Amino acid sequence: AQSVAQPEDQVNVAEGNPLTVKCTYSVSGNPYLFWYVQYPNRGLQFLLKYITGDNLVKGSYGFEAEFNKSQTSFHLKKPSALVSDSALYFCAVRDYKLSFGAGTTVTVRA
Amino acid sequence: EPEVTQTPSHQVTQMGQEVILRCVPISNHLYFYWYRQILGQKVEFLVSFYNNEISEKSEIFDDQFSVERPDGSNFTLKIRSTKLEDSAMYFCASSPIGQILRNTEAFFGQGTRLTVV
Repeated sequence: AQSVAQPEDQVNVAEGNPLTVKCTYSVSGNPYLFWYVQYPNRGLQFLLKYITGDNLVKGSYGFEAEFNKSQTSFHLKKPSALVSDSALYFCAVRDYKLSFGAGTTVTVRA
Repeated sequence: EPEVTQTPSHQVTQMGQEVILRCVPISNHLYFYWYRQILGQKVEFLVSFYNNEISEKSEIFDDQFSVERPDGSNFTLKIRSTKLEDSAMYFCASSPIGQILRNTEAFFGQGTRLTVV
């Protein structure tokens, strides 16, 4: 079975500082990895995906993610966080469905 | 920009009643999904639907649940005899089908908050 894990329930950073949200995966075969964001009382919005190719994937709102095969990780990053990035972030792995991690709540303080 | 729409946004129902949650997927998409999220927790897969039949379902999706695509645009989730623990946010999603489905992201609706009292 394919799965992802998000080891941190919460991440707190100051505005302007780098933001990292961690995700590790467990798959058989090639991984198809995604990041989604959920703002309060909203649906899930797609941020970026890794299919194959470059290990650094760029996505929406200035986010990027680094795929590391040896560490089986797919961490989400943003060089300079904004207060508006405060949200719930989900890592996911896909076969015919998306399977989500438990989510990480990001709080960016002004 | 095309989007997945869900109605109603919030539904309150008595325990034991039946509810139908409605979704209009993006028009050229062929794979449809229902997920649920209990109070800001993990997003759990319920069921996927392709070519007018269920392609995969989770252990959560028992005989209490059913899905239907009654016409060319709507995709519904029916919950028979609702229980208190069915209270959750229910998300509909759809995907286009490319050469490899796993390449494609799923697009989510805004969700229906179901409250069973």
